[in-house]
Amino acid sequence: EAGVTQSPTHLIKTRGQQATLRCSPISGHTSVYWYQQALGLGLQFLLWYDEGEERNRGNFPPRFSGRQFPNYSSELNVNALELEDSALYLCASRWGGLANTGELFFGEGSRLTVL
Amino acid sequence: KNQVEQSPQSLIILEGKNCTLQCNYTVSPFSNLRWYKQDTGRGPVSLTIMTFSENTKSNGRYTATLDADTKQSSLHITASQLSDSASYICVVSAKSYGGSQGNLIFGKGTKLSVKP
Repeated sequence: EAGVTQSPTHLIKTRGQQATLRCSPISGHTSVYWYQQALGLGLQFLLWYDEGEERNRGNFPPRFSGRQFPNYSSELNVNALELEDSALYLCASRWGGLANTGELFFGEGSRLTVL
Repeated sequence: KNQVEQSPQSLIILEGKNCTLQCNYTVSPFSNLRWYKQDTGRGPVSLTIMTFSENTKSNGRYTATLDADTKQSSLHITASQLSDSASYICVVSAKSYGGSQGNLIFGKGTKLSVKP
């Protein structure tokens, strides 16, 4: 069974551009999470989608946005890129439901570099 | 406020030695606690899960403990290997969602380096 897949693996952009990152959850998982991990730092929660709805978002500016598609895949968009947006962006999925406390399965991440 | 604190921030040990990583939490209502291992530049992978009624759980050379009264957990690594070099992240699930992290509260991790 395929795990969580993310694309692209690496992405290089310049300041002011937009970046789009994609995530396909494990088959059957309806909940998708996005995290930002700057170099050497811990995971910072970005967004949580469940059954197509945004359930919660972290303390990030509105230029970080996303969506979840009917097939439960998800997309993270970062507009007006800034240098400090350079980070590893991790997607994770698990079985859905607002009260679900099941295991998160992570993808390998997308490394975004902003020059 | 729901928080997870891990210590130490970083740790260097010699191959073959044991070590213990700590996780203190103030998450309520508590559902479960997981330890994840994250190799550099890779996604985290779950090592163990601890629920309220469990005190100890082992996964090979990894043994996790949970004291729900003091809200502390530890991860003990026995006979360390070079491949154990990674960040170890403690993640606590709350029974309700909300706040800045949803219902999953991540610690900042402990960076373990195992030297030959």
